[in-house]
Amino acid sequence: AQSVTQPDIHITVSEGASLELRCNYSYGATPYLFWYVQSPGQGLQLLLKYFSGDTLVQGIKGFEAEFKRSQSSFNLRKPSVHWSDAAEYFCAVALTRVTGGGNKLTFGTGTQLKVEL
Amino acid sequence: EAQVTQNPRYLITVTGKKLTVTCSQNMNHEYMSWYRQDPGLGLRQIYYSMNVEVTDKGDVPEGYKVSRKEKRNFPLILESPSPNQTSLYFCASRTGPTEAFFGQGTRLTVV
Repeated sequence: AQSVTQPDIHITVSEGASLELRCNYSYGATPYLFWYVQSPGQGLQLLLKYFSGDTLVQGIKGFEAEFKRSQSSFNLRKPSVHWSDAAEYFCAVALTRVTGGGNKLTFGTGTQLKVEL
Repeated sequence: EAQVTQNPRYLITVTGKKLTVTCSQNMNHEYMSWYRQDPGLGLRQIYYSMNVEVTDKGDVPEGYKVSRKEKRNFPLILESPSPNQTSLYFCASRTGPTEAFFGQGTRLTVV
C-alpha cells in the first residue's frame, strides 16, 4: 500500500529565511505527487503537483518542489518565507492509474509551519 | 466558479442523533471522497465514489454511510454519532488521477 511520510511535525523559521519541508513516499512506481497548504480554519489549497517531466516544479506563492526518484522524495522549498506562509502543509500521493482503490489520495500527517517575525 | 461546497461548516450534536453533512461540486467530477482530519493523523479517507451509484469504503469507514444518487452530490451520513467521530471533515472531488478540490471543511463535535 502507498504511504507518505512527513518526518517534521513542527518547523519554525524566521521571516525571510529559506524553508524546506520533507516528504517521502512508498510506492512501487512513481505516483502523482502533490503539496497542499491549509491555513487556519480553511480548506486545503493545492500548492503544486508533479505528474511527469521536469523534476523541479513551480507552484503558487513562490513555492517549488523537487522530485527525486532515487530518494522517493518530493520536498517542498521556498527561498524566503513570509509571515503569511504560517500554515499546515500536507504532502499527498495518488496512484497513476485507476484501480479498485478509487484513485485515492494518501496524505502525510502534515507539517505545521510557524514563522517568527 | 469551480468549487466544492460543504454544509454545515460547524455542527455540535449529541451522541446517537443522526446527522448528514452535505457536499456538492459544480465541476462535473466523477470522483468524490470524504476525509476526516485529526491532529497527528493527517487526512484519512472515509468513503469514496467513482461515479453515480458507485461507492466504496476508504480507510476509516466504520460509523459512516454515503450515497451518490447524483453526480454533483455526495452526502456523508452518521446514523448514530459517537464522541470518537468528533473531527474535521472534508469533501473532495477530482476527475481522474489529478489533484483534488476540497471543500471548506465541517467541524463536527459530538457530545
